[in-house]
Amino acid sequence: EADIYQTPRYLVIGTGKKITLECSQTMGHDKMYWYQQDPGMELHLIHYSYGVNSTEKGDLSSESTVSRIRTEHFPLTLESARPSHTSQYLCASSGRQQGAWADTQYFGPGTRLTVL
Amino acid sequence: KNQVEQSPQSLIILEGKNCTLQCNYTVSPFSNLRWYKQDTGRGPVSLTIMTFSENTKSNGRYTATLDADTKQSSLHITASQLSDSASYICVVTDRGSTLGRLYFGRGTQLTVWP
Repeated sequence: EADIYQTPRYLVIGTGKKITLECSQTMGHDKMYWYQQDPGMELHLIHYSYGVNSTEKGDLSSESTVSRIRTEHFPLTLESARPSHTSQYLCASSGRQQGAWADTQYFGPGTRLTVL
Repeated sequence: KNQVEQSPQSLIILEGKNCTLQCNYTVSPFSNLRWYKQDTGRGPVSLTIMTFSENTKSNGRYTATLDADTKQSSLHITASQLSDSASYICVVTDRGSTLGRLYFGRGTQLTVWP
């Protein structure tokens, strides 16, 4: 069981509201990621971080922003939510298990966001 | 263009039966291929990871195969259980970037009926 947490699990809000999706991990991983996933579709990388004070945009253009002030915490913020932001947001972190030759990405349970 | 294609898109089988899910990819240069299981409303969980030198790898009732020459992988599930109902996602990592860029398939939605 991966030690990566997301809150809230479900969020329904009105257009124009500012929201922050929380993500935290207790595995000490430097690399963290945010993905967006629509039903039946593949995951799209929207943000990633190599470590504290490092953030980069992913492949899918997103109006959200992220910050990485602490290793364990990687929140995602939408300044003004719109219906087009309705989606599932998955947070992940990656690290190498002892004896492994490659990193494994561990995913949080996701936040299902609905913007009315 | 780096892509990962999975088939079938969805599959319904009876409990106790076997099934095989397919994954074709064009990602290059290739680093590794993973199969993830994603339960409804949850994040994906890694089942297996394979590098180009590995042809087959098992994890309980799950057996993954990889043909790096034809860029194809399969996930075979033996003696299916109701709890196997989930989306199975094929993920390929390239080794051409520092990040280790992941390419996700859209998944195969498996439903196991009693």
